[in-house]
Amino acid sequence: QKEVEQNSGPLSVPEGAIASLNCTYSDRGSQSFFWYRQYSGKSPELIMSIYSNGDKEDGRFTAQLNKASQYVSLLIRDSQPSDSATYLCAVKFSDQFYFGTGTSLTVIP
Amino acid sequence: EPEVTQTPSHQVTQMGQEVILRCVPISNHLYFYWYRQILGQKVEFLVSFYNNEISEKSEIFDDQFSVERPDGSNFTLKIRSTKLEDSAMYFCASRTGNWETQYFGPGTRLLVL
Repeated sequence: QKEVEQNSGPLSVPEGAIASLNCTYSDRGSQSFFWYRQYSGKSPELIMSIYSNGDKEDGRFTAQLNKASQYVSLLIRDSQPSDSATYLCAVKFSDQFYFGTGTSLTVIP
Repeated sequence: EPEVTQTPSHQVTQMGQEVILRCVPISNHLYFYWYRQILGQKVEFLVSFYNNEISEKSEIFDDQFSVERPDGSNFTLKIRSTKLEDSAMYFCASRTGNWETQYFGPGTRLLVL
């Protein structure tokens, strides 16, 4: 069974702060890693994908991958109230995508 | 901008009935997926579909489930005899062959009574 673990939160940060979200995965054969944002009652929306070790930045978002530690993280800089959502970590193995339970983030104005 | 569409948005059915959930993936996409999300739980992979056949399926995708691409645009999930525990949001997703980014549809909320 391939597991993707996330802290469920809730995580609260003040507006303008950095939010840090973490994810670990069980299968070393996993190839690709994704962060999605999901608002209540809505479908997941891709924020970032990362495939190789290191950092990948896109605007206020930075994804970090460490395959040796089986760890992937997402940093959100200058957090905004509109960033309040559940953040899902997803890991691809073969042609299956495994999701974590998500971390609920609240950005306090 | 192209998007994945799903119909219906909500479906209520009686236990034991068959339901068909429909999806129209983005037109140039080649890989298609179904997921489910029980209320308050994680998104769970059901099945992937490529080149008119199932490429992978999870343990959840048992004999009660089937998928079909009946024409060039639709992708359907059939649940043959629904159970109470099939109540969930069902998401369809698709992607191109070159990129692994999946695009999700808005979902169908299925309620089995």
